[in-house]
Amino acid sequence: ETGVTQSPTHLIKTRGQQVTLRCSSQSGHNTVSWYQQALGQGPQFIFQYYREEENGRGNFPPRFSGLQFPNYSSELNVNALELDDSALYLCASSDRETNEKLFFGSGTQLSVL
Amino acid sequence: GQNIDQPTEMTATEGAIVQINCTYQTSGFNGLFWYQQHAGEAPTFLSYNVLDGLEEKGRFSSFLSRSKGYSYLLLKELQMKDSASYLCAVREGTGANNLFFGTGTRLTVIP
Repeated sequence: ETGVTQSPTHLIKTRGQQVTLRCSSQSGHNTVSWYQQALGQGPQFIFQYYREEENGRGNFPPRFSGLQFPNYSSELNVNALELDDSALYLCASSDRETNEKLFFGSGTQLSVL
Repeated sequence: GQNIDQPTEMTATEGAIVQINCTYQTSGFNGLFWYQQHAGEAPTFLSYNVLDGLEEKGRFSSFLSRSKGYSYLLLKELQMKDSASYLCAVREGTGANNLFFGTGTRLTVIP
């Protein structure tokens, strides 16, 4: 158990809809990152938040956006869903000061039909 | 950018030793990580190397050569529960603690 919790665990949406995924970071961690993992692939970095501001972004379009709240919980929002957005979305928290390892949640499996 | 390469699949026998290789090309290298991921579960941290050499942690060891852009994960005394995907990931630069992952190596341990 890493202490990082995500909700929901599974979600089904249709193309064009919007989705919000949620993450609660491990206690004491001030940085949250979001990753997309397609079937059979490694996780791909979407973006990271530190102290409620975006602090790095991967190669994802603007319809992927996020928020980090004062209690360090986080949301990932995806607008105008496409079929290729179907994937496991992983949240990971870390302590920027120790800056060593990421602790991952179990993810949200998103299916876009 | 990043170019992280590792074998797609490996099979090994229970009780044996297996080495999973990872090569990478990246700018601003700032550490290499290995994660284990069982099907349908979160990746879990195994090891971290930032300097050259071998890091040993129980049955698992990880090696890094920065000049060669090369790492390996060594698993000893394989157990059936070690069947999982093993992800090699590289961190670039300082500040943003984001990792760039390879596609993962799916290890199957057979009796």
